[in-house]
Amino acid sequence: DAGVIQSPRHEVTEMGQEVTLRCKPISGHDYLFWYRQTMMRGLELLIYFNNNVPIDDSGMPEDRFSAKMPNASFSTLKIQPSEPRDSAVYFCASSRPPGTNSYEQYFGPGTRLTVT
Amino acid sequence: SQQGEEDPQALSIQEGENATMNCSYKTSINNLQWYRQNSGRGLVHLILIRSNEREKHSGRLRVTLDTSKKSSSLLITASRAADTASYFCATPNQAGTALIFGKGTTLSVSS
Repeated sequence: DAGVIQSPRHEVTEMGQEVTLRCKPISGHDYLFWYRQTMMRGLELLIYFNNNVPIDDSGMPEDRFSAKMPNASFSTLKIQPSEPRDSAVYFCASSRPPGTNSYEQYFGPGTRLTVT
Repeated sequence: SQQGEEDPQALSIQEGENATMNCSYKTSINNLQWYRQNSGRGLVHLILIRSNEREKHSGRLRVTLDTSKKSSSLLITASRAADTASYFCATPNQAGTALIFGKGTTLSVSS
């Protein structure tokens, strides 16, 4: 298995531009999570999906952020318009349902976003 | 939120020494997990301990859980330079469907 795949690995964009981050979870994982990591705030859970349905988006910082999961093998996190304070590393993770023997989350390598 | 808080924030040791990191959390949980993050990489799951377990081992890792004190510790024995990383504890959210991560302990092991 290739693990969780994220693209791009690095993104540099100018303030005001739209940014789209992509994630392919591990096949068979019903849960998908989007996190943001910064030095100041640590690892923040933004939103997560179960069977392609958003369950909790209370961590999404503003309406400028949106996430979709059109099918079991693909999810996007979009920022429109982007701002310098959105600069961070964005991680996608997937897992099997909680309560199973393998409950751990598997993280992708992250997308380092820089907004100038 | 049930966020775990790791202590210390940073730890520097020599190869061969043991490293102990602690995690405190706020509300009752049914399990607690530890993850490692190497610089520039995603987090990797290390170990999960359930609320009815007091201690668990995996190779050079030893995790303890004290539910009465709402705390957990991660011990890495005979540390190696390759253990240099950040270590995070994670606890389930109220629904039990997501994890809340602490801010981590940064471990530096010098040879």
